[in-house]
Amino acid sequence: GQSLEQPSEVTAVEGAIVQINCTYQTSGFYGLSWYQQHDGGAPTFLSYNGLDGLEETGRFSSFLSRSDSYGYLLLQELQMKDSASYFCAVRAHNNAGNMLTFGGGTRLMVKP
Amino acid sequence: DAMVIQNPRYQVTQFGKPVTLSCSQTLNHNVMYWYQQKSSQAPKLLFHYYDKDFNNEADTPDNFQSRRPNTSFCFLDIRSPGLGDAAMYLCATSRLQGTTEAFFGQGTRLTVV
Repeated sequence: GQSLEQPSEVTAVEGAIVQINCTYQTSGFYGLSWYQQHDGGAPTFLSYNGLDGLEETGRFSSFLSRSDSYGYLLLQELQMKDSASYFCAVRAHNNAGNMLTFGGGTRLMVKP
Repeated sequence: DAMVIQNPRYQVTQFGKPVTLSCSQTLNHNVMYWYQQKSSQAPKLLFHYYDKDFNNEADTPDNFQSRRPNTSFCFLDIRSPGLGDAAMYLCATSRLQGTTEAFFGQGTRLTVV
């Protein structure tokens, strides 16, 4: 089976930096993705790490360490619109096929 | 332009009455997923297709079935909806290679009365 752990809730102020951690256990690991979901909306893709290291996309960066089964999403210069749920998701392949499994989600609240 | 389209956005069905949710995609992606998401929870994978190969998650109830008649369309059939099946149902697609970004539809919110 697959399991992912991430904090349930994080609060930060506008302009700050926040890091959301994710640890996972899976077989057939391909990579780790991050998705943002606003209330009532669909998840939207933020980033993907297939290899160890840091990927940067504007204010968002994502990191992966395959040996530690660990990754994080870093959000810089926080804005009010960043208040949302953030999910890490493992892409894995096994006998059941090609799967995208989500962690429990971290609800980020950005305060003025 | 919407790339993954789910219809309807909102569906009300009666307890025990079969209901079908639909999803279409214009991306020509190999993989299509169905997720169930309840309030304040993560999307839970029900099943997925790689082309016509169907893969059912071990804990997906038999009450849930799926069909993929062609690359573009995928259907979720709930044979006998219970009150516990009320949720948002999300369809997603992805390629198998590359960044493997998944594209989600806007979801269908199912209410069971």
